[in-house]
Amino acid sequence: GQQVMQIPQYQHVQEGEDFTTYCNSSTTLSNIQWYKQRPGGHPVFLIQLVKSGEVKKQKRLTFQFGEAKKNSSLHITATQTTDVGTYFCAGPLYTPGTQGGSEKLVFGKGTKLTVNP
Amino acid sequence: DAGVTQSPTHLIKTRGQQVTLRCSPKSGHDTVSWYQQALGQGPQFIFQYYEEEERQRGNFPDRFSGHQFPNYSSELNVNALLLGDSALYLCASSLWAFYNSPLHFGNGTRLTVT
Repeated sequence: GQQVMQIPQYQHVQEGEDFTTYCNSSTTLSNIQWYKQRPGGHPVFLIQLVKSGEVKKQKRLTFQFGEAKKNSSLHITATQTTDVGTYFCAGPLYTPGTQGGSEKLVFGKGTKLTVNP
Repeated sequence: DAGVTQSPTHLIKTRGQQVTLRCSPKSGHDTVSWYQQALGQGPQFIFQYYEEEERQRGNFPDRFSGHQFPNYSSELNVNALLLGDSALYLCASSLWAFYNSPLHFGNGTRLTVT
């Protein structure tokens, strides 16, 4: 079935190193969203990408949406201990139904980032 | 401006029992979605409510049901609890009019089934 896949599942870095997580969809997405969940917390919205090839930056975070709108990446430059958490991508995936289809926001399994100070 | 609030924060139930979880959406939001998050996994979509009707549903059995009230708050009910229902249940609110608008999550309810 339609799904959103993320790699790697875990990533451990030394503080100051860079970090990248990748997200792939089996189908073309109208948009992709990224969320961060701190340990013991809830997912918090980071950004939404809509356009093919779009690149957005938030301080040390760079988000990209692929040209085919089927993949995305999040890159963190010079990680800090405050970056610790699990990063999820989420895309609206179509689900057929008896009364017409609908879209629901489907999350990847996430990439858990740990940072060694 | 109140964010999404969920109650209770923690709950322990026995197999076979029933549970009701509650959610108040962020002020100004009219749509509530419920997600189940098992340990180490991403949130799994349960269902979504708008205008007091279930609009979308994920791959969850009929034991999972919900309701939305005129004030946009929502309840998630789970009957005949199984051990596998132990998880963090997240409520998220959004605006229906803004297609694919970002979700605002509550802190969740941690359900443990023994």
